[in-house]
Amino acid sequence: GAVVSQHPSWVICKSGTSVKIECRSLDFQATTMFWYRQFPKQSLMLMATSNEGSKATYEQGVEKDKFLINHASLTLSTLTVTSAHPEDSSFYICSARNGVGQPQHFGDGTRLSIL
Amino acid sequence: TQLLEQSPQFLSIQEGENLTVYCNSSSVFSSLQWYRQEPGEGPVLLVTVVTGGEVKKLKRLTFQFGDARKDSSLHITAAQPGDTGLYLCAAQTSGTYKYIFGTGTRLKVLA
Repeated sequence: GAVVSQHPSWVICKSGTSVKIECRSLDFQATTMFWYRQFPKQSLMLMATSNEGSKATYEQGVEKDKFLINHASLTLSTLTVTSAHPEDSSFYICSARNGVGQPQHFGDGTRLSIL
Repeated sequence: TQLLEQSPQFLSIQEGENLTVYCNSSSVFSSLQWYRQEPGEGPVLLVTVVTGGEVKKLKRLTFQFGDARKDSSLHITAAQPGDTGLYLCAAQTSGTYKYIFGTGTRLKVLA
């Protein structure tokens, strides 16, 4: 149980393109989803927290107009990187949990490469 | 700023050796998780510890939560090449909705 699916797993696109990443909880209802960014050989950095039906809460230093998050249902959250540039290239990972105090379960990540 | 410091950062050992990874903080946590992550994949949950002093075992892995719920350790007995990966601790503080991650320990087990 507790499967989280993230799609796509790999994206290569030109600078200026907007990219949408989907995160789905397949066998449970995710009241909260988290979006992380991970640089090579480093730990995960929390970007934002999204609760179903409400606006996402962004961490300090994360541009909300750059990284648009939508959590329209209990099983789907999306992250859109708008007008992506090479410095946005990274490994983006989502996680989901079904209640406060519950462990989070991770998707397999999306490797984004902006040329 | 709440920090979770892991040590060591890197560890390269021979198959069959034992090792311990530490996760330390000055903050008290309501729960703490350990994850293992392989390259190009998301972290996989290994264990959640909740009670101060709690010890949990998962085959050759032993997890302990400190009595004061500020620190934790992961001990691997007779390490195998399949244990290679990035080990991350993560904790949720009381009254908050989000997690902070440790700095990570990159383990390589040589055959």
